[in-house]
Amino acid sequence: KQEVTQIPAALSVPEGENLVLNCSFTDSAIYNLQWFRQDPGKGLTSLLLIQSSQREQTSGRLNASLDKSSGRSTLYIAASQPGDSATYLCAVSNQAGTALIFGKGTTLSVSS
Amino acid sequence: EAQVTQNPRYLITVTGKKLTVTCSQNMNHEYMSWYRQDPGLGLRQIYYSMNVEVTDKGDVPEGYKVSRKEKRNFPLILESPSPNQTSLYFCASSRNLGSYEQYFGPGTRLTVT
Repeated sequence: KQEVTQIPAALSVPEGENLVLNCSFTDSAIYNLQWFRQDPGKGLTSLLLIQSSQREQTSGRLNASLDKSSGRSTLYIAASQPGDSATYLCAVSNQAGTALIFGKGTTLSVSS
Repeated sequence: EAQVTQNPRYLITVTGKKLTVTCSQNMNHEYMSWYRQDPGLGLRQIYYSMNVEVTDKGDVPEGYKVSRKEKRNFPLILESPSPNQTSLYFCASSRNLGSYEQYFGPGTRLTVT
């Protein structure tokens, strides 16, 4: 059964730092991997989608990489800002493509 | 604006009183699904629908029903809610199965007393 792990569970950094969030998954048979952002009590906002055939995707200050063979993905946030404070969720599609399997998230706090 | 909407956003109810949480998308997506989010357990899929009239169970379907009579709507029905169904519920949609990006609604916070 696919399991998704995110490390660290929480992270506090000062404004301006570059940071990396990690995601690992146990089964490499995935369609894609998606990174989401969730603000407290709010919905999920899709940040980046990486197809299984891709190695990375970039959007603004965000860069996500995927190494399917090793079951790892990283989300790189450049020049962090207080507005980046949120919980970041990693999710992989199951083998049938019918569901996303989520990690428990990394809660990021960026102080000014 | 392309979006997934859910109603109500907040609901407090009592054990055994039937309720429906509505979900609607305006992106002409084939695939829709429901998840619940609980502290320490993360997000887990309840049901999904590949297209109209086709639905199937996810990981935690017990106590829930769904229907997909129209492409845009995918309501979640709790026939007899219990306190262990207190949770934050999300509806999601995507163009189709597999490799497509999934879009999530704003969530419905349900409390069952």
